[in-house]
Amino acid sequence: GQNIDQPTEMTATEGAIVQINCTYQTSGFNGLFWYQQHAGEAPTFLSYNVLDGLEEKGRFSSFLSRSKGYSYLLLKELQMKDSASYLCAVKDSNYQLIWGAGTKLIIKP
Amino acid sequence: GAVVSQHPSWVICKSGTSVKIECRSLDFQATTMFWYRQFPKQSLMLMATSNEGSKATYEQGVEKDKFLINHASLTLSTLTVTSAHPEDSSFYICSARDGTGDFYEQYFGPGTRLTVT
Repeated sequence: GQNIDQPTEMTATEGAIVQINCTYQTSGFNGLFWYQQHAGEAPTFLSYNVLDGLEEKGRFSSFLSRSKGYSYLLLKELQMKDSASYLCAVKDSNYQLIWGAGTKLIIKP
Repeated sequence: GAVVSQHPSWVICKSGTSVKIECRSLDFQATTMFWYRQFPKQSLMLMATSNEGSKATYEQGVEKDKFLINHASLTLSTLTVTSAHPEDSSFYICSARDGTGDFYEQYFGPGTRLTVT
């Protein structure tokens, strides 16, 4: 079956750095997405990786290793507004998005 | 970025009634729209994929006669929850696909919170 694993919850301190990991086992791979979802709101797109390596976009970076079936989202200079759920999603061989359960990130002052 | 709207943002209905939710792509044409359901503290669950002008493709376990999807134009898809029951209470989110080929983004609507009493 297809499976995406992320930690359920993480806690970090304002101003610090946090890394959210995602491992996947899917039938085929056509890209990996990270989305941010605040409580009661729809997800918003953060990043897309299809090749191995690091993609940097401001305070957020996303890394992919296809051979290991592994990705992480790195958030720097954490702000209180970064408190949200972070969803990892993989596009499989049928170009369907397979979603992880999300990681709830709690930022403390 | 592209904007997707949903209407209504929340709705309360009585058990046995039907509710229609609209999803619109405001500044782009969406050949494909997706309908998701999300229960509290759970991830998104894809219900169906809707292609303009054709029948929707439903995920396993989703009753097509209960969740009617119509994608009549490139900017509008509707989800009708028929004979709603309390267990249908959930957060319904649509998304629209912008672009074709290997890379595309899915832009999400703000969601519709349905409460069935």
